[in-house]
Amino acid sequence: GNSVTQMEGPVTLSEEAFLTINCTYTATGYPSLFWYVQYPGEGLQLLLKATKADDKGSNKGFEATYRKETTSFHLEKGSVQVSDSAVYFCALIPFGGANNLFFGTGTRLTVIP
Amino acid sequence: DVKVTQSSRYLVKRTGEKVFLECVQDMDHENMFWYRQDPGLGLRLIYFSYDVKMKEKGDIPEGYSVSREKKERFSLILESASTNQTSMYLCASKQGSNQPQHFGDGTRLSIL
Repeated sequence: GNSVTQMEGPVTLSEEAFLTINCTYTATGYPSLFWYVQYPGEGLQLLLKATKADDKGSNKGFEATYRKETTSFHLEKGSVQVSDSAVYFCALIPFGGANNLFFGTGTRLTVIP
Repeated sequence: DVKVTQSSRYLVKRTGEKVFLECVQDMDHENMFWYRQDPGLGLRLIYFSYDVKMKEKGDIPEGYSVSREKKERFSLILESASTNQTSMYLCASKQGSNQPQHFGDGTRLSIL
């Protein structure tokens, strides 16, 4: 079946630290992969996406590379800010254009000044 | 930008009431979704719709129903609210395969 596993939080970092949030997936074929971010009190916003192997999605200083060989899509940022404090969700759409998104359980990030 | 609007940010209802959560999108998307979000469980799909008057059950449809009479509007209905339906409810829409979903701001529903 299709599933997403992401590292459990919470993650607490100091401002300007390097961030990695691990995400691995199980799916047949080549799914499309996404990272969503949820700021306090808000809905989910698309952060970045990648639709084929070796693609790199990037936005707002965040990056993630679609690694088919390790079935991973780890989220990274070189220097986090307090404003990056949020919950981050990794998700996939299975190959073949299914409508459903399969989500990980989310990782809460807190950045302290 | 896609705009997905949920009618209420916060809602408090009583056990046994019939509750309606409304969602409207302005981009003529074919597909719409309802999720609930609970701590430690992430997002779970309740129902989705791929066209007017069409609906499909998600992972946790029990205790819920949906209505899609117009393309832009997708309603979630709690037929007889119970305390275990206290949650954050998120609506989303999208167009086409392999496209990302666009989310509303959520409705935090409390059932007393």
